[in-house]
Amino acid sequence: EPEVTQTPSHQVTQMGQEVILRCVPISNHLYFYWYRQILGQKVEFLVSFYNNEISEKSEIFDDQFSVERPDGSNFTLKIRSTKLEDSAMYFCASRTEIFSGNTIYFGEGSWLTVV
Amino acid sequence: GDSVTQMEGPVTLSEEACLTINCTYTATGYPSLFWYVQYPGEGLQLLLKATKADDKGSNKGFEATYRKETTSFHLEKGSVQVSDSAVYFCALSSKSNAGKSTFGDGTTLTVKP
Repeated sequence: EPEVTQTPSHQVTQMGQEVILRCVPISNHLYFYWYRQILGQKVEFLVSFYNNEISEKSEIFDDQFSVERPDGSNFTLKIRSTKLEDSAMYFCASRTEIFSGNTIYFGEGSWLTVV
Repeated sequence: GDSVTQMEGPVTLSEEACLTINCTYTATGYPSLFWYVQYPGEGLQLLLKATKADDKGSNKGFEATYRKETTSFHLEKGSVQVSDSAVYFCALSSKSNAGKSTFGDGTTLTVKP
């Protein structure tokens, strides 16, 4: 079964450093998402991406965050200057269309620890 | 906006006990409803889904029925196993919300032998 893959699975970074989390969505999918889960808390929407542009973003997705689809296969989340509170599991997800019933597929997640 | 409310946890059961995790939702339009499971240290796995009223999703002995009249999607299993210990998330997705998923807070299930 096709799957969404994410790298790295775990990254430790110092506060203030830039981090890039990478995702390879399922190949025929058109909509891409990043979600965040702080340890022990709920899964929160960050951003959705379609047709090479952001279609929606949450309040969490401030100017520190950016997304890019640089080469037609990868989908990246960049955090420019990490803060301690950015420590979380980041999930990439993708889907084909957004009609009702269409499943969104999640990757295994990238666990980011900011120290 | 869309929201999902899950039964608060944690839930601790003995093996072979019956499980019910309540989930209710608020959404515009006609959302699809999902249950995801997250095992310790792992990512989100789709457990089951239902796309319209009265649909029943089922997988691995788990079931949930889309009840439009009560806006609910309760997760049930007749006989839990130790291996079912995980966090369970109820979620919805609607076309009117750009297809993004909205999650409940999650319910931690621990099954003891």
